[in-house]
Amino acid sequence: LAKTTQPISMDSYEGQEVNITCSHNNIATNDYITWYQQFPSQGPRFIIQGYKTKVTNEVASLFIPADRKSSTLSLPRVSLSDTAVYYCLVGGTNTGNQFYFGTGTSLTVIP
Amino acid sequence: DTGVSQDPRHKITKRGQNVTFRCDPISEHNRLYWYRQTLGQGPEFLTYFQNEAQLEKSRLLSDRFSAERPKGSFSTLEIQRTEQGDSAMYLCASSRGSSGNQPQHFGDGTRLSIL
Repeated sequence: LAKTTQPISMDSYEGQEVNITCSHNNIATNDYITWYQQFPSQGPRFIIQGYKTKVTNEVASLFIPADRKSSTLSLPRVSLSDTAVYYCLVGGTNTGNQFYFGTGTSLTVIP
Repeated sequence: DTGVSQDPRHKITKRGQNVTFRCDPISEHNRLYWYRQTLGQGPEFLTYFQNEAQLEKSRLLSDRFSAERPKGSFSTLEIQRTEQGDSAMYLCASSRGSSGNQPQHFGDGTRLSIL
C-alpha cells in the first residue's frame, strides 16, 4: 500500500522558497503523485501532479527522483496566503485504485 | 467548471439516525470519489465510481455506509444508525477519464456532527 509520510509542520518567512518533501516508499509502478492545498473548512485544492522527474506550473514545481520513493513540492516566494495544510496523494493505478493522503504538512508563513 | 458541489454543508443529527449526503461532480467528469476527514488528519479514501459503477468499496468503514451513483451523475453517501465516531467531514471529489491518474477536484465537504 502506497502510504505517505510528510513533516507535520513548517514555518517560513514571506518571500522565501519552501520545499515540502513526501515519502512514499511503496509507490506502485503506475501511481501518480499529486499535491493539494487545504484551508480550514474547505476541500483540498489541486496544486500539481507528476509521475517522474520535474513538473512546473504557474504556482509550484514538483521534483520526483528516479526511484520515485519521495517527491518534493517547491513553492517559490511564499506569501501569507500560502499558510495552509499541504498533502501529497499517491495512487490511481488501473488496478487497486485506492488513494492515500498523508497527515499533511501545516505550513505557516510569517510576515 | 462550476466545481464540485456538496449538500448539505453541515448536518447535525442524533445518534442512531440515518443521514444522506449528496455530491454533484463537475459535469464532464466520469469518476467520483468519497473521502472522510477527521480533525488533524488527511482525507481517508472510502469509495469511488466510474460512471455509475462502484469499482472500489472495500474501504467503506462498515456496512452502515453505502454510496450510490444511479445515473452516473450525482452521488449519495448514506450512513445508517449513526454513531458518535461518524462525526467528521465527508468530502466528494471528481476527475476526468478512466485511468484514475487525472487530478481529483474536491468539493468543500459536508460536516457531520452526531449529538
